[in-house]
Amino acid sequence: GENVEQHPSTLSVQEGDSAVIKCTYSDSASNYFPWYKQELGKRPQLIIDIRSNVGEKKDQRIAVTLNKTAKHFSLHITETQPEDSAVYFCAASMGNDMRFGAGTRLTVKP
Amino acid sequence: EPEVTQTPSHQVTQMGQEVILRCVPISNHLYFYWYRQILGQKVEFLVSFYNNEISEKSEIFDDQFSVERPDGSNFTLKIRSTKLEDSAMYFCASIWTPSSGELFFGEGSRLTVL
Repeated sequence: GENVEQHPSTLSVQEGDSAVIKCTYSDSASNYFPWYKQELGKRPQLIIDIRSNVGEKKDQRIAVTLNKTAKHFSLHITETQPEDSAVYFCAASMGNDMRFGAGTRLTVKP
Repeated sequence: EPEVTQTPSHQVTQMGQEVILRCVPISNHLYFYWYRQILGQKVEFLVSFYNNEISEKSEIFDDQFSVERPDGSNFTLKIRSTKLEDSAMYFCASIWTPSSGELFFGEGSRLTVL
């Protein structure tokens, strides 16, 4: 099955700074790459996604980039706010089994 | 807004006991999933289910696990003989089709095996 690697495992930034989280995937057939945010004790919730026919997607302060050749995709959060503090998971899917990265614990210091 | 619902929210059981976790996926969704998350760790894929049969399963989903859609609305995960290492949060998720985008997660069922 698909294997997704995610870095870093923890990330601490000052409020207002940018945060970048990177993922790689193993299966070149994967075609859908979502990012989920999980607050403590809550379910994962989708924040942004990208498909393999697109290189970049932006939604307000968050953006995702995809490099299919290198099998890399990244999440960029600009102007971070304390409420962005959470665990972020990337995932990759080509069909019925969406696989998640190990997660990045983002802490935004006020 | 429709959502995936799970019961129980928390279950405590003795090692060796059978556990059934229940999920009601979003009504027009066709694909159903179970994921497991050990405290503080990644969300791990267990199994996907479509058209009343398993379509994919991970190496975690061994003979101790089974899934069923007994009545057209519930989607259950059974663990036959629980082990200490089965203690985790179990998330059910559903999607209309895998190409449609967002996987909708339930709130999770926390299983504690003593």
